[in-house]
Amino acid sequence: DAMVIQNPRYQVTQFGKPVTLSCSQTLNHNVMYWYQQKSSQAPKLLFHYYDKDFNNEADTPDNFQSRRPNTSFCFLDIRSPGLGDAAMYLCATSRDTTSYNEQFFGPGTRLTVL
Amino acid sequence: DAKTTQPPSMDCAEGRAANLPCNHSTISGNEYVYWYRQIHSQGPQYIIHGLKNNETNEMASLIITEDRKSSTLILPHATLRDTAVYYCIVRAGSGGSNYKLTFGKGTLLTVNP
Repeated sequence: DAMVIQNPRYQVTQFGKPVTLSCSQTLNHNVMYWYQQKSSQAPKLLFHYYDKDFNNEADTPDNFQSRRPNTSFCFLDIRSPGLGDAAMYLCATSRDTTSYNEQFFGPGTRLTVL
Repeated sequence: DAKTTQPPSMDCAEGRAANLPCNHSTISGNEYVYWYRQIHSQGPQYIIHGLKNNETNEMASLIITEDRKSSTLILPHATLRDTAVYYCIVRAGSGGSNYKLTFGKGTLLTVNP
């Protein structure tokens, strides 16, 4: 089945130690998104790629960056994780950004910062 | 994006229909109504979306009022596995922000045996 895969499902890092989260998709979708979901809160969009074009949300901290080396893969890099960055990180994909095409989400990676 | 209002929680008996309301009184003419759900510790799952007409798929039905200021998601025969947070989202139909899903607080639906 076509799907969105996130690895690892659980990630533990130390305060200030860079960490990379991975997302891959077999849907061949043009757009890949990264959302942050803190405990008991709704998901919040950090940024997205349309093909190779990176689109950052205005309130996304500089500490968060992303790479998309090819259509299938997208990475979320947290340069210096703080305790406040502990959250579930969700990757999603869509065929394009039109409103009639839904986004498909992966299972998420839960990040713990010690 | 237009904002949505949903009840924080609802209960439903297993096998009965679950009717989840959503108010979106400031919705614009080209904005879509989307529904997602999130089962505990999983990623959000797309359910259904619509613009003006009622929609039905294998998961649910979406009823949008004629003035489009509110909608109802109907799960016709709720099961225990339908226990989740249900998000009603209004999404721009065009323009610079139409890519964006802005999640609100959602409704926690608990299906009871």
